[in-house]
Amino acid sequence: NAGVMQNPRHLVRRRGQEARLRCSPMKGHSHVYWYRQLPEEGLKFMVYLQKENIIDESGMPKERFSAEFPKEGPSILRIQQVVRGDSAAYFCASSPPLRGINEQFFGPGTRLTVL
Amino acid sequence: GQQVMQIPQYQHVQEGEDFTTYCNSSTTLSNIQWYKQRPGGHPVFLIQLVKSGEVKKQKRLTFQFGEAKKNSSLHITATQTTDVGTYFCAEGSNFGNEKLTFGTGTRLTIIP
Repeated sequence: NAGVMQNPRHLVRRRGQEARLRCSPMKGHSHVYWYRQLPEEGLKFMVYLQKENIIDESGMPKERFSAEFPKEGPSILRIQQVVRGDSAAYFCASSPPLRGINEQFFGPGTRLTVL
Repeated sequence: GQQVMQIPQYQHVQEGEDFTTYCNSSTTLSNIQWYKQRPGGHPVFLIQLVKSGEVKKQKRLTFQFGEAKKNSSLHITATQTTDVGTYFCAEGSNFGNEKLTFGTGTRLTIIP
């Protein structure tokens, strides 16, 4: 059973460009979460999605950021008109349908560098 | 907003010494999870604590949840070089699959 897949692993963008980060959850997992980690800091929640639905986007900046988890295909985190402050590691996590322990399984992350 | 603080921020120990990290919240925690992140890696789930006063052990690791469910600790006995990494506590939800609120983390380095 493959783990959570993220691509690309590293992404370099110039200011003003768009960044698209992809996440394929573990097989059988229907819940996807995106977190951002700035250098030397903890992980900050951004958004929680289920198939075709955004459940909680309370951690997502109101502008330039969007996320989706379509019926088919990976979840996408999209950052428009990137700025230097967007440079960070973006981690995707997934979890199975509701059960007692809500452990989240993390992908390897995408390291975004904005020049 | 909700904040989960961890101390210390950094800890350097000699190999073989013990290590403890503490997690504190100003509000009652529904449950607490612990994750380990190796340098350059991603968080990996270690354990979840739910009950007041709960204690769980995994080999050299001991996890505790405070009686008031406002604090938690992770203790490692006789550290090894493989223990290097950052240890995060995270508050989960009573309702199952919801966001995690991560603590600030404690970075452990081992002096061989």
